[in-house]
Amino acid sequence: DQQVKQNSPSLSVQEGRISILNCDYTNSMFDYFLWYKKYPAEGPTFLISISSIKDKNEDGRFTVFLNKSAKHLSLHIVPSQPGDSAVYFCAATMRSGGGADGLTFGKGTHLIIQP
Amino acid sequence: DTEVTQTPKHLVMGMTNKKSLKCEQHMGHRAMYWYKQKAKKPPELMFVYSYEKLSINESVPSRFSPECPNSSLLNLHLHALQPEDSALYLCASRLGLAYQETQYFGPGTRLLVL
Repeated sequence: DQQVKQNSPSLSVQEGRISILNCDYTNSMFDYFLWYKKYPAEGPTFLISISSIKDKNEDGRFTVFLNKSAKHLSLHIVPSQPGDSAVYFCAATMRSGGGADGLTFGKGTHLIIQP
Repeated sequence: DTEVTQTPKHLVMGMTNKKSLKCEQHMGHRAMYWYKQKAKKPPELMFVYSYEKLSINESVPSRFSPECPNSSLLNLHLHALQPEDSALYLCASRLGLAYQETQYFGPGTRLLVL
């Protein structure tokens, strides 16, 4: 049973426009969420995170929104740049567990930025 | 600096071989992790070390044997692997303090079992 879901395997966006990547989770014990970016044959690179006590976190071009009642989060990238083309993973963990449970990942969304 | 290093970058081994993967970080992180990632799949947790003690083993077969010799180093010893164990093996570390959940990943070791 998948506890973190990214239902769009791929997304194509024009350069300069907004990219919106979505993620849903089913485990209500998750209280900390992270987004990672991954290029082929490399490890995931941390982008941005959000705690369940917040509904928004912003870092430069990246903003993550959390809707706890819907168990949904989204990553907004504005403006999108060619270097943003990569696979984006949504991940979740239980802060109350001190993170010792590791991260549970979604299947990823391949973002393609068109020139 | 959020660097986690992993060696080797690539490894090819036969089913009777014994090999080891190495992971190192010098950020003072006290939690370290092994994940396995198959092609077009998300990373899956294998082991967690917290303060150099194994705290989680996600029902991983005994042909994978983790070791944490000190707070900076994490090894994964491999023996009698199967072709289906071919994957990208990722190491990650985390500060280990409360409310410091971000894990930082190394570049991975791409393993091919023949």
